[in-house]
Amino acid sequence: GENVEQHPSTLSVQEGDSAVIKCTYSDSASNYFPWYKQELGKGPQLIIDIRSNVGEKKDQRIAVTLNKTAKHFSLHITETQPEDSAVYFCAATNLNTGGFKTIFGAGTRLFVKA
Amino acid sequence: SQTIHQWPATLVQPVGSPLSLECTVEGTSNPNLYWYRQAAGRGLQLLFYSVGIGQISSEVPQNLSASRPQDRQFILSSKKLLLSDSGFYLCAWSVLTSGRNEQFFGPGTRLTVL
Repeated sequence: GENVEQHPSTLSVQEGDSAVIKCTYSDSASNYFPWYKQELGKGPQLIIDIRSNVGEKKDQRIAVTLNKTAKHFSLHITETQPEDSAVYFCAATNLNTGGFKTIFGAGTRLFVKA
Repeated sequence: SQTIHQWPATLVQPVGSPLSLECTVEGTSNPNLYWYRQAAGRGLQLLFYSVGIGQISSEVPQNLSASRPQDRQFILSSKKLLLSDSGFYLCAWSVLTSGRNEQFFGPGTRLTVL
């Protein structure tokens, strides 16, 4: 079945450094790739998303890149801050079939050290 | 504005007991509704989704069931809990718009089956 692999599972960076999280999806029909941030004890919250007709999207310190050919997409956080510490999930789905079956990666726990 | 409520926040139940988790959404009409389970240190596993009253799609065979008796109410149930049902259960809603399907998650219910 459809699968999304996410790496690394844990990432520790110094405040001010950049963090990169990578994901690979298996279903070539996927055309929508959201990224969610989950803080301790809370539900995930969307931080950025990208559609398959776009190669890169940026929102302040956060950017996402997509390589459709390789079925890879990545999250880049620059100038990390302690409040960026959380678990990040990548996901993939096909909006043409309603987008209901969103497949999530296993998550990356990011630690930003002050 | 839209809000999503889940209760209870935590639940400890013995093996073999029944389960009922409730989720309600305010401020939107005819949302898509979802139940996810998150095992410790794992990603989000889609259990059920619903596109309308009485319309339930199951993604994973299990001893859980879902119902949508009202437009903005989603209930997760079990007749007899198993140890393996322990986890963090998240309800979410979305409305598919052009180009995106942002899911809004509730605060979750932490279920421990003993």
